[in-house]
Order: sequence, then C-alpha cells, then structure tokens
Amino acid sequence: AQSVTQLDSHVSVSEGTPVLLRCNYSSSYSPSLFWYVQHPNKGLQLLLKYTSAATLVKGINGFEAEFKKSETSFHLTKPSAHMSDAAEYFCVVSTGTASKLTFGTGTRLQVTL
Amino acid sequence: GAVVSQHPSRVICKSGTSVKIECRSLDFQATTMFWYRQFPKQSLMLMATSNEGSKATYEQGVEKDKFLINHASLTLSTLTVTSAHPEDSSFYICSAMSGVQETQYFGPGTRLLVL
Repeated sequence: AQSVTQLDSHVSVSEGTPVLLRCNYSSSYSPSLFWYVQHPNKGLQLLLKYTSAATLVKGINGFEAEFKKSETSFHLTKPSAHMSDAAEYFCVVSTGTASKLTFGTGTRLQVTL
Repeated sequence: GAVVSQHPSRVICKSGTSVKIECRSLDFQATTMFWYRQFPKQSLMLMATSNEGSKATYEQGVEKDKFLINHASLTLSTLTVTSAHPEDSSFYICSAMSGVQETQYFGPGTRLLVL
C-alpha cells in the first residue's frame, strides 16, 4: 500500500521569499515520487520526479525536492517565489512503474506582492 | 516532448445525452492511458486505466457502462459519458504513458457541465 500526505492545504508567501511545500509518503517498496503543478482550470504539469537516483532532484522553474528516506519526506522548495508560481501543487507517489499513482490532497500556493 | 491534448476543453450538455472526450498523445506512442476525475478543490481520482487494444480496467465504484473507454490506437483514447446527469459534472483529466517511461503526462483537462 502507498499513501502520501501533504501537510499544508494552503501556503502563502511573499514574492521573492522561499517556498516550502511539505510532503510525507508511505510505501511498502522503493517509491517513485513526483511533484505536479496545476494552474487554475488546467491539467497537471510535471515539476520533477525521483526514481531512486540522486536524492536531490532539480525540476523546472527553479523548483527542487529532496528525497529523505529516514524521514519519509519529499518536500518541494524554491529559493525565491514568483507571482506565476501561484497554483495547486500535488505530491504523488507510485511503487514500481508509474502505472498506479496516489495523489496527495494538494497544497494551494499563494504568492503575494 | 511528451505532450498530451484533450478535446474538447469544455462542454455543456443536457441531462440524458452522451458526451465523448478525446485524449491524444501528440509526440509519443502511449501504450497506457489513464482517466481521472477531479471535483472542485479536490485531488485527482483515478477512474480507469486503458491499454491499447484491450479493455479498460476500472477502479472500484466506477461504472464501466456509464463511462465507456476506448483505446483504439497508440495515440488516442476516448471517454464517453453515457446518459449524463448533473452529478457527472466535473473536470476530467487524462494522462498517457509509454512502455518505456516512468512518468504519466497529463492532458489539460475537460470541464463537463451537465444541465
């Protein structure tokens, strides 16, 4: 069985400040982990993925995430938020192939001036 | 690369009618496609998984006779909502994956409103 918990349903940051979106996972086997972003009324765009290679994963738009097995975490970070980063972010876990994805409940990121 | 399109992006229909949504992988061959449903302010729920040339596998609680899925080619899957009712109104999102990928690529979604 696999599950993912996004600890914050809503995060608000000022433009130019760091972003931290938290995600913890549970998986019986070695997981693959993903972060997707969804802008309003749009589909999901892959930000980054971890598939048992380097534990620090760099993604698009300046985002990165670190896989920490001891903490069962895969938090998403960005050094400096931009207004265009305002969106819904989903942490996703799968075991083995990407055939069975389990989605977190999402974190809405708000970026203020 | 890895672009997935959906058509239409938005559809309004009358109760009792059927609606077909198309999902296409534009630059890769998708051996597997997935259909998700997303309610407002909620996460995605997997409805079914379809492999090219075979019957779709539906998740528990999803009516296969109501949500007809066809995956006739390696670049096209269709979801038909039959005899639509207002409770079927939702945001439907497809994704596609090729046999060698470890990632699902998502379409932009289709918003269905049943009146």
